[in-house]
Amino acid sequence: GAGVSQSPSNKVTEKGKDVELRCDPISGHTALYWYRQSLGQGLEFLIYFQGNSAPDKSGLPSDRFSAERTGGSVSTLTIQRTQQEDSAVYLCASSYPGHYEQYFGPGTRLTVT
Amino acid sequence: AQTVTQSQPEMSVQEAETVTLSCTYDTSESDYYLFWYKQPPSRQMILVIRQEAYKQQNATENRFSVNFQKAAKSFSLKISDSQLGDAAMYFCAYRSTLISSGSARQLTFGSGTQLTVLP
Repeated sequence: GAGVSQSPSNKVTEKGKDVELRCDPISGHTALYWYRQSLGQGLEFLIYFQGNSAPDKSGLPSDRFSAERTGGSVSTLTIQRTQQEDSAVYLCASSYPGHYEQYFGPGTRLTVT
Repeated sequence: AQTVTQSQPEMSVQEAETVTLSCTYDTSESDYYLFWYKQPPSRQMILVIRQEAYKQQNATENRFSVNFQKAAKSFSLKISDSQLGDAAMYFCAYRSTLISSGSARQLTFGSGTQLTVLP
């Protein structure tokens, strides 16, 4: 079956602009995660969605970051007023109910100039 | 909070030989999951192998096996008969099983080991 998909693959934006990154999880996977992978910080958890429950936003680095998940499927990560330190690869993962393995998408490489 | 340490930033192995990647972790929990993920230049994180802490038997997946030492909090990955396609960044990851834990659901990753396979 289809894996986790993310778009765009690469995004270059100017400092101060807003960006939206999209994640489409594997069909039937109710849990969805966003991670950030940067040179200085490694892989960091950002936010977690489980079904219709309130998301766990404990990893979001600032209030410029937000995410939503519509209809329990597709998720959008929004970064407002981007800064150069936001440059990173943003990875999305999903998992099946009751399973602990997470399956990752190919990521979006964000470059803020 | 849990931490995961990979002390080998880079490793190399000759094709067809065996290599072991190290991982240690720190936790006060007794039940958890450990994973090894592979990330080739394509950026796609691929699950290689997983281990449940309550299982004493070491997990194996074809040429990949782990040496899980719970008391020592060590979780190394052995790759046998290394192939050129094994070249990638390898990440060790921890996941709690406690729903009440603040970090129950997400993966905590080590800093990674870049594996080079020499022809």
